[in-house]
Parts: sequence; C-alpha cells; structure tokens
Amino acid sequence: SQKIEQNSEALNIQEGKTATLTCNYTNYSPAYLQWYRQDPGRGPVFLLLIRENEKEKRKERLKVTFDTTLKQSLFHITASQPADSATYLCALGKGNKLVFGAGTILRVKS
Amino acid sequence: GAVVSQHPSWVICKSGTSVKIECRSLDFQATTMFWYRQFPKQSLMLMATSNEGSKATYEQGVEKDKFLINHASLTLSTLTVTSAHPEDSSFYICSASTGVGAKNIQYFGAGTRLSVL
Repeated sequence: SQKIEQNSEALNIQEGKTATLTCNYTNYSPAYLQWYRQDPGRGPVFLLLIRENEKEKRKERLKVTFDTTLKQSLFHITASQPADSATYLCALGKGNKLVFGAGTILRVKS
Repeated sequence: GAVVSQHPSWVICKSGTSVKIECRSLDFQATTMFWYRQFPKQSLMLMATSNEGSKATYEQGVEKDKFLINHASLTLSTLTVTSAHPEDSSFYICSASTGVGAKNIQYFGAGTRLSVL
C-alpha cells in the first residue's frame, strides 16, 4: 500500500529563516500533490497544489517542488514568521481521492 | 469564500447512543463531500466519499452500517455514528470540493471531537 513520510519530529527555526518541509512517498503515482496547514483542533486549510508534470509552484512566501522520480515534494516558507507555526500536511491526489501524510509540526521562534 | 461549517464541534455521548454530525458548505455548492477521521498525531484517514443524491462510497475497513452518510443536497452532508462505543472516540472532519481530479481542492470544516463514555 502507499506510504507517505513527513518529518515526524518538529522543525524549529528562527523567525526570518526559510523553513523546508519534506514529503516522501512510495508505492504511489499521484496525479497531483497538495499542501495543507492545520492548526490544533481545527480542520486543514489548503495552501498549494502542484501537478505531476509541474516542477515548482509559488504563492507569495510559499514554494513547493515536486520530483516524481525521487517521489518527493519539498515545501518552503521563506521569511518565516511565528504565525507560520502549525502542522503542515502533504496530500497525494489521484482522481478525487487524497491520501494524507501525518504532517510536520513547524515552530517559528521570534 | 469557500467556507465549510461543521456541527457540533464537540460531543460527549453514552455508549450505545447515536450521534449525528452535520457538514455544510455555506457559500458554494459542493460536487463531493468527504468524511475523515483523525487520531492524535496521525494523518487524516478517509472514511467515505459522498455525492449529492447517491450512496456514499466507503473506504475498505469502514463499516457503512455504523457510519451512516446522507448527502441530501449540494450543501449538506451528515455522518451518523450509530450505537457509538468508546473506540469510536476520535476527531471527525468533513470536507467539500467543487472540482474533480487536479481541481479537487478540499475545503475543510473545523472538525467534531467525539467522546463516547
């Protein structure tokens, strides 16, 4: 069955630095990949989508890359702020179905 | 825009009773609604996919008689946990989508925390 791996340990960075989160997967060929943000006790919020034939997508301070050969996506937040502290989920998509990773906790310290 | 409302946000019930959770898309009509379950520090696990007016499609291992899904309109889906037991205690989240395939951006509700005593 498909397996999605995100950093299980929290990522702690200093305000202003770039945060890089990793999503690796096996036994799956997604047509697209999405990143969501989830705050404690809340539902996820959509951030970015990248298709299998795209290498990179940007939105304001966010950037996502997608390497279907390595089966990996990297999610970057530049000029990070304490308000960016949250859990970030990657989700692999095929058809209408999304398969989520367990998420990485990001803590941005001022 | 794209707001999904989920109620209740928290419910405590006795073992053996049934609990209904509502999911509404407030400012758009959803092609598809999804129901997930999430355990602490774990990923969202898809339980079922529902389209308005048709039967829900359940994921493998999810008991359809226990988790009843009704998708009455393009803006409302309900999940009923029947004869709830303590092992059903979890965080249930719904989402709604207007697109298909790569346009399947899901808008999530705030979730319902169910505690079965």
